[in-house]
Amino acid sequence: DQQVKQNSPSLSVQEGRISILNCDYTNSMFDYFLWYKKYPAEGPTFLISISSIKDKNEDGRFTVFLNKSAKHLSLHIVPSQPGDSAVYFCAARSSARQLTFGSGTQLTVLP
Amino acid sequence: GAVVSQHPSRVICKSGTSVKIECRSLDFQATTMFWYRQFPKQSLMLMATSNEGSKATYEQGVEKDKFLINHASLTLSTLTVTSAHPEDSSFYICSALSGPSFNEQFFGPGTRLTVL
Repeated sequence: DQQVKQNSPSLSVQEGRISILNCDYTNSMFDYFLWYKKYPAEGPTFLISISSIKDKNEDGRFTVFLNKSAKHLSLHIVPSQPGDSAVYFCAARSSARQLTFGSGTQLTVLP
Repeated sequence: GAVVSQHPSRVICKSGTSVKIECRSLDFQATTMFWYRQFPKQSLMLMATSNEGSKATYEQGVEKDKFLINHASLTLSTLTVTSAHPEDSSFYICSALSGPSFNEQFFGPGTRLTVL
């Protein structure tokens, strides 16, 4: 049973426009959520995180929104750049600092 | 950020052989390291949590006798895939925890294992 789901395996966006990546979770015990960016044959790189007590966290072009009642979080990238093209994973912490990952969304930013 | 290395980056072996993958934290000490496996177009699946000086904690469904983990020092954890079979072919990624916060969990570049 997947506790963290990314239902869109891929997303294409025009350069300069907003990219919105979505993530849903089922475990209400998750208390911290993170987004990672991953290039092929490389390990994930931390991007941005949000505590469950917040509903928004912003860092430059990246903003993460959390809707606890809907068990949904999203990552907004604006403006999108070609260098943002990668696979984006959302992850959630349950306990013992372990992370549960979603299946990833391949973002392609078209020039 | 902190750097985590993995060696080798790619390995091809025959069925039945054992393969050792090293994960090193290069500029920090990591009391906890994690091992993940990723199949194509799938999520990173946590295999085990490796704590320095103690036995690893394995996730449900992961055979501890097949995937041997040793965390002998604060900068090195090793994963040995024993008697590898083609179904063990995957991308193995380690991460190291440098502090209590999750943004302090740094990932290695991964190891592509192909078992013929």
